[in-house]
Amino acid sequence: NAGVTQTPKFQVLKTGQSMTLQCAQDMNHNSMYWYRQDPGMGLRLIYYSASEGTTDKGEVPNGYNVSRLNKREFSLRLESAAPSQTSVYFCASSERRSSYNSPLHFGNGTRLTVT
Amino acid sequence: AQSVTQLDSQVPVFEEAPVELRCNYSSSVSVYLFWYVQYPNQGLQLLLKYLSGSTLVKGINGFEAEFNKSQTSFHLRKPSVHISDTAEYFCAVSDYNTDKLIFGTGTRLQVFP
Repeated sequence: NAGVTQTPKFQVLKTGQSMTLQCAQDMNHNSMYWYRQDPGMGLRLIYYSASEGTTDKGEVPNGYNVSRLNKREFSLRLESAAPSQTSVYFCASSERRSSYNSPLHFGNGTRLTVT
Repeated sequence: AQSVTQLDSQVPVFEEAPVELRCNYSSSVSVYLFWYVQYPNQGLQLLLKYLSGSTLVKGINGFEAEFNKSQTSFHLRKPSVHISDTAEYFCAVSDYNTDKLIFGTGTRLQVFP
């Protein structure tokens, strides 16, 4: 049982380049999330998908787009990368959107550096 | 708006010593509280949660936390730590109304032999 799988694990981009971070979960969860983790700032929600076919902005959505491809997969796209997007990105899933009794399950992260 | 404060960014401790990681929150409504742990090069995993009922919550790996409504705190404790407890610990809060989960900035626990 793989849980939440993220690819790639590491990526280096030049300013202005684009890329897509992939995430897949095999737990039949309804809700999926993208967070970024920066030193001294904890985790901040970028986008989330409460259920298949829906996406919503989180706390820091600017510069990102998402696609909920199907129930299993939720991708994050950087159209024109900037140095401020250097971070560790985590995908997570939960059985349902409500945090009550529905904990988040995280992938192992993608470490992105934008030069 | 709700917020979470983890007062200590780093906590060094020797093996078999007790440890307390502090978490304070602010919210105008009732809350759910969580502690997540992140081991090196891994994602976060749930350690324990408080939803309602008993204010003392027990989690995995011998950790426990106590919800104190009057002090708006949810401190994490372990009576005797092990080297393998070295990790970053995140406190998180969610309120009944918005169900928005807010994470603290994390506390890095470093256990020395």
